[in-house]
Amino acid sequence: EPEVTQTPSHQVTQMGQEVILRCVPISNHLYFYWYRQILGQKVEFLVSFYNNEISEKSEIFDDQFSVERPDGSNFTLKIRSTKLEDSAMYFCASSEGGWGGYTFGSGTRLTVV
Amino acid sequence: LAKTTQPISMDSYEGQEVNITCSHNNIATNDYITWYQQFPSQGPRFIIQGYKTKVTNEVASLFIPADRKSSTLSLPRVSLSDTAVYYCLVGRPPYNTDKLIFGTGTRLQVFP
Repeated sequence: EPEVTQTPSHQVTQMGQEVILRCVPISNHLYFYWYRQILGQKVEFLVSFYNNEISEKSEIFDDQFSVERPDGSNFTLKIRSTKLEDSAMYFCASSEGGWGGYTFGSGTRLTVV
Repeated sequence: LAKTTQPISMDSYEGQEVNITCSHNNIATNDYITWYQQFPSQGPRFIIQGYKTKVTNEVASLFIPADRKSSTLSLPRVSLSDTAVYYCLVGRPPYNTDKLIFGTGTRLQVFP
């Protein structure tokens, strides 16, 4: 079964540092997403991406966040200056826009200290 | 997007059938009902999607009454590995690529 792959699985960073979370979506999918889940809380939408541009972003996705699809396979989320409250699981997801819903990756656990 | 209401938690024992009901009184005509499953420290996983009546796949069944104001996810003969959080989402038709809005879900605990 095709998978969405995320790296790293865990990342610890100091407050104020930049982090890049990486995702390899399913190869024939065209729609890409980032979600996050703070420990014990809901899964929250961050941003959707299609045709090399952002389709929609939430109010969480402020200027410190950016997304990029640098090549034909990777999809990245960059957090420029991390804050303690950015500590969460970050999930990448992709969709082909058909039946079967989204496919989520296993997530990157980001800990900001 | 239609608001959904699910029980916060449910307990069951291995081998039992589990039914999780979701209320969505404000469901729109074009809305579909989708269920996701999330294991600890994993991303949500699509389980099943339906519009009306009954849908069945290898994992679960989804029962939707005629008025579509609620739906029931049925898991036959659960095992310990079915312990997870189950989310009911309403409003994403197939081929729609809008964001997903997750609620708090139902935390299912299966005991031996």
